[in-house]
Amino acid sequence: DAGVTQSPTHLIKTRGQQVTLRCSPKSGHDTVSWYQQALGQGPQFIFQYYEEEERQRGNFPDRFSGHQFPNYSSELNVNALLLGDSALYLCASSPLEGSSYNEQFFGPGTRLTVL
Amino acid sequence: EDQVTQSPEALRLQEGESSSLNCSYTVSGLRGLFWYRQDPGKGPEFLFTLYSAGEEKEKERLKATLTKKESFLHITAPKPEDSATYLCAVQKAGGGADGLTFGKGTHLIIQP
Repeated sequence: DAGVTQSPTHLIKTRGQQVTLRCSPKSGHDTVSWYQQALGQGPQFIFQYYEEEERQRGNFPDRFSGHQFPNYSSELNVNALLLGDSALYLCASSPLEGSSYNEQFFGPGTRLTVL
Repeated sequence: EDQVTQSPEALRLQEGESSSLNCSYTVSGLRGLFWYRQDPGKGPEFLFTLYSAGEEKEKERLKATLTKKESFLHITAPKPEDSATYLCAVQKAGGGADGLTFGKGTHLIIQP
């Protein structure tokens, strides 16, 4: 059973550009959350998607947007990139139901470097 | 505002030397407290979920406990492969699987 997958693994962009990151959740999971992890810090919650809608958002500007598709996969888009957006971007998925419905399982992440 | 503070920031132990990591939290209604292990450059790996004070969970050399204000991750007779950053996170009570609030982690090094 494949876990959470993310693409690409690494990405280098310049300031002002736009980037799209992709995530496929674990089989049986319908909820996808995105996190940003700066070097030496814990992950910070960006937003969460359920049934193709953004249902919760952390303290991130509108430059960060997302989408969820009918097959539960998700994209994170960041516009007008800043140097401070350089980080590891993590996707996590949660199961549809059951005793572990609120447990989030993470993918390997996408390392974004903004020059 | 929800807060999670982990201590120590870094810990170096000899192989076989048991110790505990601390996670103090402030949240308006706790749905769950989570422990993850993270290796360099990789995504966090799920370890435990604790839901109520007094609860304990074990996995190999790790044991997690929960009180109303803090959680401990006890590591018994650690091995070098236990070296990693251990992250603690809380989830606020509400509808659905809400976003997690993480601490900065404890960087654990086990020397042979």
